[in-house]
Amino acid sequence: KNQVEQSPQSLIILEGKNCTLQCNYTVSPFSNLRWYKQDTGRGPVSLTIMTFSENTKSNGRYTATLDADTKQSSLHITASQLSDSASYICVVSARNTDKLIFGTGTRLQVFP
Amino acid sequence: DAGITQSPRHKVTETGTPVTLRCHQTENHRYMYWYRQDPGHGLRLIHYSYGVKDTDKGEVSDGYSVSRSKTEDFLLTLESATSSQTSVYFCAISDSPTTVLDYGYTFGSGTRLTVV
Repeated sequence: KNQVEQSPQSLIILEGKNCTLQCNYTVSPFSNLRWYKQDTGRGPVSLTIMTFSENTKSNGRYTATLDADTKQSSLHITASQLSDSASYICVVSARNTDKLIFGTGTRLQVFP
Repeated sequence: DAGITQSPRHKVTETGTPVTLRCHQTENHRYMYWYRQDPGHGLRLIHYSYGVKDTDKGEVSDGYSVSRSKTEDFLLTLESATSSQTSVYFCAISDSPTTVLDYGYTFGSGTRLTVV
């Protein structure tokens, strides 16, 4: 069964600190992996998208990594800001399908 | 969100009544999707459309129907609302199938529906 699992479920950090969120997937055959940021009361917004051949992708202070062999991805946030408080969702797409498989997200809270 | 609008943003309705949610886009994208988001679940696909009058079911389509009579509008109807359909509903648009690298996949701001 195609699944995407994220950890931790929630995370609290202090402003200025770094953090790393994890995503493990069992989706096959793999096409691409995306990280989304979802602010409270808003829709998800794309941060990065990576294909099988890419192992890292950055978007400002956000850096995503992908290990297609172990089927793991991480999202690293550098020098966190209060505005980083949100849910971060890992989404995997399988080849030959129109469907995205969503993780349940990691809820990040950044405190001053 | 730029280019995609959902209405209403909030709605409370009674069990057994029909409800229609609207998704409107100004991007002229071919593909439109309806998802629901519930605690403990990732977003789940309800229905999607790949063109005017062309729609298909997603993984949680029971109790829902859709219509797309114009490129810009995708309507989701709960034929007879039940408490299990209390959820946040998101519309998404895309300019290509999700199997292809797709930077145009955009979500709306959501509709919070409560069925009492």
